Amino acid sequence: AQKITQTQPGMFVQEKEAVTLDCTYDTSDPSYGLFWYKQPSSGEMIFLIYQGSYDQQNATEGRYSLNFQKARKSANLVISASQLGDSAMYFCAMREGRVTGGGNKLTFGTGTQLKVEL
Amino acid sequence: AAGVIQSPRHLIKEKRETATLKCYPIPRHDTVYWYQQGPGQDPQFLISFYEKMQSDKGSIPDRFSAQQFSDYHSELNMSSLELGDSALYFCASSFRDRQTEAFFGQGTRLTVV
Repeated sequence: AQKITQTQPGMFVQEKEAVTLDCTYDTSDPSYGLFWYKQPSSGEMIFLIYQGSYDQQNATEGRYSLNFQKARKSANLVISASQLGDSAMYFCAMREGRVTGGGNKLTFGTGTQLKVEL
Repeated sequence: AAGVIQSPRHLIKEKRETATLKCYPIPRHDTVYWYQQGPGQDPQFLISFYEKMQSDKGSIPDRFSAQQFSDYHSELNMSSLELGDSALYFCASSFRDRQTEAFFGQGTRLTVV
């Protein structure tokens, strides 16, 4: 079974509008972390936001916020006031367990290609 | 702030050749992860190192090997290259138990012809 599911292969949004990118996850581990990354066409992987499974509040970083619904196992990324520079591929990823000593690999979803239009 | 440095940024090799990719983690980071991202694919975990010891292994071919050195930089060695090895190779680093962080380098784009 897919551990991370991103059901939107592509999304369009008008500049200055908000957009929500969906991510659902599957894990039986009570301790996990969820990450969102942005990958522009140049290829680099840019860290955006992190949400821990025990965090009581939804994470926010500037224009990015994470709508964390634990019971539904969803961790949707909300981008407010979209800008042309937000056009990129967005990946949701998960780290499972509280493994110490380097065992914190990430499992990625298939990504959502976001296009911001004028 | 210093980021994860990968070199080279681009590499073109012929089939059956060897390639070495280098990763310099963020200062004081002691853990390195390698990922492979094929065209149009999501990144796949290959291998990780903590304090110079292999800590986890993913879908890394036997033709590939890696190590972490005393200065914490890491190298991914790839031999008998195949066309299917053409991909973007990422290195990520973190510090021990700082599980909220996973910063990636800019990647090495390997093309096998």
